[in-house]
Parts: sequence; structure tokens; C-alpha cells
Amino acid sequence: GAGVSQSPSNKVTEKGKDVELRCDPISGHTALYWYRQRLGQGLEFLIYFQGNSAPDKSGLPSDRFSAERTGESVSTLTIQRTQQEDSAVYLCASSLVGRVYEQYFGPGTRLTVT
Amino acid sequence: AQSVAQPEDQVNVAEGNPLTVKCTYSVSGNPYLFWYVQYPNRGLQFLLKYITGDNLVKGSYGFEAEFNKSQTSFHLKKPSALVSDSALYFCAVRDITDDKIIFGKGTRLHILP
Repeated sequence: GAGVSQSPSNKVTEKGKDVELRCDPISGHTALYWYRQRLGQGLEFLIYFQGNSAPDKSGLPSDRFSAERTGESVSTLTIQRTQQEDSAVYLCASSLVGRVYEQYFGPGTRLTVT
Repeated sequence: AQSVAQPEDQVNVAEGNPLTVKCTYSVSGNPYLFWYVQYPNRGLQFLLKYITGDNLVKGSYGFEAEFNKSQTSFHLKKPSALVSDSALYFCAVRDITDDKIIFGKGTRLHILP
């Protein structure tokens, strides 16, 4: 069956521009997660959705970062006024409710801020 | 606060030899422990998990991991390495009171033919 998909796969943007990253979770997965992976680093948790509510936004690094989710499907991560330190791979994952330990990951969006 | 450490940035193993990728953790309660693998140009894939029960858990692609509570470790192992096992491996931990999983920084495994 279809896995988690993310778009775009690559995004190059100029410093100061806004970007929007999209995640389509596996159908039926009510839990959705966003992570950031900087070059050579581990995964950094950003935000967790349960349905379309976000009980845990603690990982969002600044108020330039925001995320939304429509129902139990698509989620978008928006970064406003991008900075060079925002350059990273942004990974989305989804899971069945209560199965946080079995997350399925998308291929990621590689964001480069020039 | 919960955390996980992968002390090796890179591990090199000859094909056919046993491999070990190390992981230690710190949680306030009982841990849920996981290993994920990231092949080149691919997303993360779930390998195996420890929730409770037997300390030796078996996962995908012939991998296994041993939970050691006294040493707070959860090392990933495979008896005989394949070149195709070359990838980036992430250990992760979840405290049972939290919905978040914390990932280690990853260990790059190189299997030499």
C-alpha cells in the first residue's frame, strides 16, 4: 500500500522567503509527526498531531515555524522568513493512534536556504 | 529528561562478520526502545522495538537487539553482515509517560566487501 509521501522532495529558497512543506500520511493513521534532521545530526522532534489537534508543539524552534493538519490527512509545515540555519531535511511520520513506537516515515523534504 | 546516546559516528565491519551498533539510553521510567534504519536516498524504516518481555528482540532483515536494563543499553546486532546493510542507523527511546520519541544522532554502518 501507499506509504507516507512528502512534497517537494527538494526545495531551494532565498533567505527571508516563506516555504510550505507538505506531508500525506498513510490512510487511517491519526497520529502525525514532523522532525528535522540537520546534516550529520539525529532527528529533532518538531510537532505531533493527534487528528487535527497538536497536543505537543514543544519542538518548534521559533515562532517562524507553524504547522497545520486537515482532519486526519494532509499536514503542512510552514517556515516564515527562512534563515540559513533552517537548512535541513524535514521528515514526516505517521502512525496508528497509540502506536507511536511504530512510526512510518516519508522520504523527507531537503530544504536549502541560500 | 529522556535521552539516547549512540557513541559511535561510524562502524566498519567486513562482510560476513558479526556487527554491533551501540546505544545507551536514559529515561525516568520503563523505556520503549527502537531502532530505525535510513538507506541512502530513502526515508527512515522501522527495524525493531522493545516494549516488554524477552530482552532479545528480533526485527527486520535479520537484525536483533538486546535490552540490558543494568547497563541501560539496547545494542543492535546481526550475526553476519551484508554489504546491503550499509546505512545510517538510529536508536530511539520513548518514556511511557510521553508520546514523543527521542532519536540518537545516528551511526553510519559501512560493510566492507
